[in-house]
Amino acid sequence: DSGVTQTPKHLITATGQRVTLRCSPRSGDLSVYWYQQSLDQGLQFLIQYYNGEERAKGNILERFSAQQFPDLHSELNLSSLELGDSALYFCASSPRDRSSYEQYFGPGTRLTVT
Amino acid sequence: QQQVKQSPQSLIVQKGGISIINCAYENTAFDYFPWYQQFPGKGPALLIAIRPDVSEKKEGRFTISFNKSAKQFSLHIMDSQPGDSATYFCASRFGNEKLTFGTGTRLTIIP
Repeated sequence: DSGVTQTPKHLITATGQRVTLRCSPRSGDLSVYWYQQSLDQGLQFLIQYYNGEERAKGNILERFSAQQFPDLHSELNLSSLELGDSALYFCASSPRDRSSYEQYFGPGTRLTVT
Repeated sequence: QQQVKQSPQSLIVQKGGISIINCAYENTAFDYFPWYQQFPGKGPALLIAIRPDVSEKKEGRFTISFNKSAKQFSLHIMDSQPGDSATYFCASRFGNEKLTFGTGTRLTIIP
């Protein structure tokens, strides 16, 4: 168990809908990262937050957005969903110390868009 | 976009054998090279990692070999066991920034 929690575990929704994925980082970790894993794309970095501020953006679509709250949990919002958004979504967190390198991944949310 | 190229895509090894997975990177600024292990239905879990100031790091049956001049690193699993069957991802990163992942290797250990 990495200490990172994600809810829900599974999500089935229809095209055009909007969903919110939630992530709670390990205790003390300030950085949260979101990744998308699909069969044909591997693990793709979406976005990083550090202590509530956006730090880096990857291949995140404009229909997707995220935020990190004062209690450090993070939410990833996916809107106008398309079939191609079906994937596993992982969040990971990093230790407070910026010189530390490890990222710890949560169990993921499996999103199915029908 | 900085890439990390991983090979092979899939690998079958007999129990007790050595599993070898290779990765090559482009960005010479990368200073952290982890390997992640992922079982079906689970998130990736950090297995072992190396920094470029050493050429090899060993933890139990798992060894990372690092060749800075060739910009390559590899994972060796000695005495491979059926429980090692999983997907393995190499990754690279600069500082505390995002990880750039390889495309993954599905390892199957057969009796």
